[in-house]
Amino acid sequence: RKEVEQDPGPFNVPEGATVAFNCTYSNSASQSFFWYRQDCRKEPKLLMSVYSSGNEDGRFTAQLNRASQYISLLIRDSKLSDSATYLCVVKGGIETGGFKTIFGAGTRLFVKA
Amino acid sequence: DTAVSQTPKYLVTQMGNDKSIKCEQNLGHDTMYWYKQDSKKFLKIMFSYNNKELIINETVPNRFSPKSPDKAHLNLHINSLELGDSAVYFCASSQDQWSTNEKLFFGSGTQLSVL
Repeated sequence: RKEVEQDPGPFNVPEGATVAFNCTYSNSASQSFFWYRQDCRKEPKLLMSVYSSGNEDGRFTAQLNRASQYISLLIRDSKLSDSATYLCVVKGGIETGGFKTIFGAGTRLFVKA
Repeated sequence: DTAVSQTPKYLVTQMGNDKSIKCEQNLGHDTMYWYKQDSKKFLKIMFSYNNKELIINETVPNRFSPKSPDKAHLNLHINSLELGDSAVYFCASSQDQWSTNEKLFFGSGTQLSVL
């Protein structure tokens, strides 16, 4: 089983749609959770951290369910500029010298006009 | 100013050659990383350094040797390049590897193509 698993996608949605991405992680000792965004041929950039109580940033809402080891990202009112790959990222499971950050394989989103 | 800069952006070379990728960060971070993103877009950590010391070394062939002359620089040298080494290599930095809730800052990537 992969340490971090995501919906493979791609998701093709019209502008204005609501889209949800899911992610599961295998290490119950994981400490922190994030969503990163990666545009084509660019580097990943932090979209938002994910907190146990759930958190919202504009049109983006992230949820964490520690019991089910499940993370989600909801995008409301999709824009063309939201087209990108969304990476689920989990940090935890102490290795020697620090915490290990694991990236999911990513889910591609295409928003169409 | 670019926070994490890596060079070159593109690297095309023959099998068997030795090449280096350089990375510098001007954020004052303690921890730097090398990640590899293969053709399936899977981003995997290769190495992590904290204050010039190696702290994470994933299962990476010995042909890959990171070097950190100071905490602002982490270079990656690759010997005897193989076709399977073709990928995008990202350098990244973070404030401190012991902090759980901190973000990674990535360089723009080096696209390595081995012919």
